[in-house]
Amino acid sequence: IAGITQAPTSQILAAGRRMTLRCTQDMRHNAMYWYRQDLGLGLRLIHYSNTAGTTGKGEVPDGYSVSRANTDDFPLTLASAVPSQTSVYFCASSPMAVSSYNEQFFGPGTRLTVL
Amino acid sequence: AQRVTQPEKLLSVFKGAPVELKCNYSYSGSPELFWYVQYSRQRLQLLLRHISRESIKGFTADLNKGETSFHLKKPFAQEEDSAMYYCALKGLKGQNFVFGPGTRLSVLP
Repeated sequence: IAGITQAPTSQILAAGRRMTLRCTQDMRHNAMYWYRQDLGLGLRLIHYSNTAGTTGKGEVPDGYSVSRANTDDFPLTLASAVPSQTSVYFCASSPMAVSSYNEQFFGPGTRLTVL
Repeated sequence: AQRVTQPEKLLSVFKGAPVELKCNYSYSGSPELFWYVQYSRQRLQLLLRHISRESIKGFTADLNKGETSFHLKKPFAQEEDSAMYYCALKGLKGQNFVFGPGTRLSVLP
């Protein structure tokens, strides 16, 4: 069982280019999330999805888009990358959208550098 | 608005010393609080949650609603506790987590 995987592990990207970060989970979790991790700011939510077919904006959604065509996959797209999007990106999933015993499971992260 | 603060970016203690990582939150309702940990070269993982009232790897955390705090404590730090620790909050009516900025714990030999 892989759990939750992300690809690529790292990427250097020229500003203005389009980039899609992939996230796949095999736990049949309903909810999925994308965070960016920046020094001193912690983890900030970019977008989320409660179930397949629905998405929502998090704290820092500008410049990013997501889709949730099925339960397993939750790709994050940067339409036109800018240097301020240099960060480590984490995908996460949780069993249910609303639960007192919810826990988020995290992927290994993607280190993105935009030059 | 939901907010989580962790005042210390870096905390260094000697092996065997007590450690306390501070976490304060602001939330208008009844929150659920968590501590997540990220060891070197490993992914972020849940350490403990207040609703379980459990002790994991010797760590405990008590939710203090009066002080809106959820400090993480361990009486005797070990070198393997060195990691990045994030406090997180989730509202019971919502599904999104809010994470603090994190505290890097360094346990010195």
